[in-house]
Amino acid sequence: ETGVTQSPTHLIKTRGQQVTLRCSSQSGHNTVSWYQQALGQGPQFIFQYYREEENGRGNFPPRFSGLQFPNYSSELNVNALELDDSALYLCASSLDLEVSTQYFGPGTRLTVL
Amino acid sequence: KQEVTQIPAALSVPEGENLVLNCSFTDSAIYNLQWFRQDPGKGLTSLLLIQSSQREQTSGRLNASLDKSSGRSTLYIAASQPGDSATYLCAVLNYGGSQGNLIFGKGTKLSVKP
Repeated sequence: ETGVTQSPTHLIKTRGQQVTLRCSSQSGHNTVSWYQQALGQGPQFIFQYYREEENGRGNFPPRFSGLQFPNYSSELNVNALELDDSALYLCASSLDLEVSTQYFGPGTRLTVL
Repeated sequence: KQEVTQIPAALSVPEGENLVLNCSFTDSAIYNLQWFRQDPGKGLTSLLLIQSSQREQTSGRLNASLDKSSGRSTLYIAASQPGDSATYLCAVLNYGGSQGNLIFGKGTKLSVKP
């Protein structure tokens, strides 16, 4: 077991709504990355947080935002949901930005109707 | 812009066969390459990590090779089992990218028939 948990497991929203997804990192890990995986596609990098600061961002609009808390848990917020935001959202934790194996959570399946 | 391609998109084999999954990338300036396994609706499990200076890594029945100059990696699975059925993803980390910025292929969906 990796120790990375995500909540909720599944979520259904309608267009225009806002959503918050949560991630609890593996114990001791201070870096978290978020990915979006559309059906049949590979995961795409959204952004990364290190010690509560954003440390890199992929090609996603500003309505995708995040937070990392002092206990290194993290949130992904998406405003003004669009149908194309339907996907599996994965978080991954690691230690001190080292180039090492990241530990992925099980993901949150978001459906936008 | 780095692009990662995986061939084939899907593969079905009888139990016991040896098989090879392919991954290619367009920019050879990578820091490392990883192979992941993903079960339906689940997160990713890292199988093998190859640093850019390495040629291959082995773990049990799995062997991954890396040819950075040609932009290719292969994942070899020996004596396949039904429990190997999953989607296999390859991902690269470029020099200069943040650690989180793995670039993934679309995956190969493997089905091993008993």
